[in-house]
Amino acid sequence: GIQVEQSPPDLILQEGANSTLRCNFSDSVNNLQWFHQNPWGQLINLFYIPSGTKQNGRLSATTVATERYSLLYISSSQTTDSGVYFCAVVWPGGYNKLIFGAGTRLAVHP
Amino acid sequence: NAGVTQTPKFQVLKTGQSMTLQCAQDMNHNSMYWYRQDPGMGLRLIYYSASEGTTDKGEVPNGYNVSRLNKREFSLRLESAAPSQTSVYFCASSPFFGGGVYNSPLHFGNGTRLTVT
Repeated sequence: GIQVEQSPPDLILQEGANSTLRCNFSDSVNNLQWFHQNPWGQLINLFYIPSGTKQNGRLSATTVATERYSLLYISSSQTTDSGVYFCAVVWPGGYNKLIFGAGTRLAVHP
Repeated sequence: NAGVTQTPKFQVLKTGQSMTLQCAQDMNHNSMYWYRQDPGMGLRLIYYSASEGTTDKGEVPNGYNVSRLNKREFSLRLESAAPSQTSVYFCASSPFFGGGVYNSPLHFGNGTRLTVT
């Protein structure tokens, strides 16, 4: 099956700093999504981004499908950005099911 | 508009006991999913229901059964709980099957934290 690897596994930032989270995948994908799990455990869909670049406020994401990676950028980080960020992919051999990476745990300190 | 509602929020079981986790969505979504989340492993798909009346196995179905009761409700049953099933369980729904293939993002419930002793 497809492998989804996220890096770094853990990240600590001071409020106001910028960061880049990476998601590598081992096979072609039909689509890719980024999720944020807040400290209370809620999972929020951030981006549906099979290719190209999207922006939503301080967050943006870029997927280069031909090179099998996606990047999530967080600018001017805030304490509310803390939590775990997951990327998830759908691949042609996976019968349309989302496969999740292990996540990047982000802690933003004031 | 409640979205995806899971009950209960917390549960402790003894090995061998059975229980059913309930999930309901009010968004008129066709597809529903059950995931489990273990530390350091992301989310893994247990079972899914592409549409009302159908269910199918995901990555880790052993020890679980599901029922798509109607379009709104999708339950997960543990017939004989084992300590390895200690996890956080998430239900999700999407307008169409694929959770994104047709730009059909997943909406998650708040999870059920299950401990099996």
